[in-house]
Amino acid sequence: QVQLQESGPGLVKPSQTLSLTCTVSGGSISSGRYYWIWIRQPAGKGLEWIGRIYTSGSTNYNPSLKSRVTISMDTSKTQFSLRLSSVTAADTAVYYCARGNSDYNYAMDVWGQGTTVTVSS
Amino acid sequence: EILLTQSPGTLSLSPGERATLSCRASQIFSSSYLAWYQQKPGQAPRLLTYAASSRATGIPDRFSGSGSGTDFTLTISRLEPEDFAVYYCQQYGSSSYTFGQGTKLEIK
Repeated sequence: QVQLQESGPGLVKPSQTLSLTCTVSGGSISSGRYYWIWIRQPAGKGLEWIGRIYTSGSTNYNPSLKSRVTISMDTSKTQFSLRLSSVTAADTAVYYCARGNSDYNYAMDVWGQGTTVTVSS
Repeated sequence: EILLTQSPGTLSLSPGERATLSCRASQIFSSSYLAWYQQKPGQAPRLLTYAASSRATGIPDRFSGSGSGTDFTLTISRLEPEDFAVYYCQQYGSSSYTFGQGTKLEIK
């Protein structure tokens, strides 16, 4: 059974770059059946899609974050990563990685447990 | 960008009752790309339905989705205690996905 696990610093200083990694276990990250996705959720608020990456390396980003976001993948390590530059307090949130599955028209069927990132000096 | 508006913001019902949650889009899009998720406190969201009306694996049949065009609905036929949670709709057909703001289903 596929599992996703986020990892990275829980505290990032303002203006710095947030970097998170999602490790995929129990399945292939190279399959063309999936997108690999990042979502975030500020405390007490709703979900915000950050972006996605396909096996080919092609990416799509939320227009509101596009200038600051980079998503990449390392198939040898079955990991994909998120970098968000120039962070502010507004980027404080729980960050989730998820899988978009072609069996479900690319809806997100597997999620990580989430990791809390706080932006503060 | 397609915006999704969910209503009501909060729905107060009792176990055994029927829940109807609405999701309205700012423009027409393919129902093939409308999903519903359930989120409980401290947990990641769980996929309930996709393509507007198809249930994901393992989802009880009391959950049903419907709709097309700009108007979509998630119905829970008979509420169980574990169904009280926050529900989100999401469109994922365009190159930019969006979520609704969520409906909180609470025990009356």
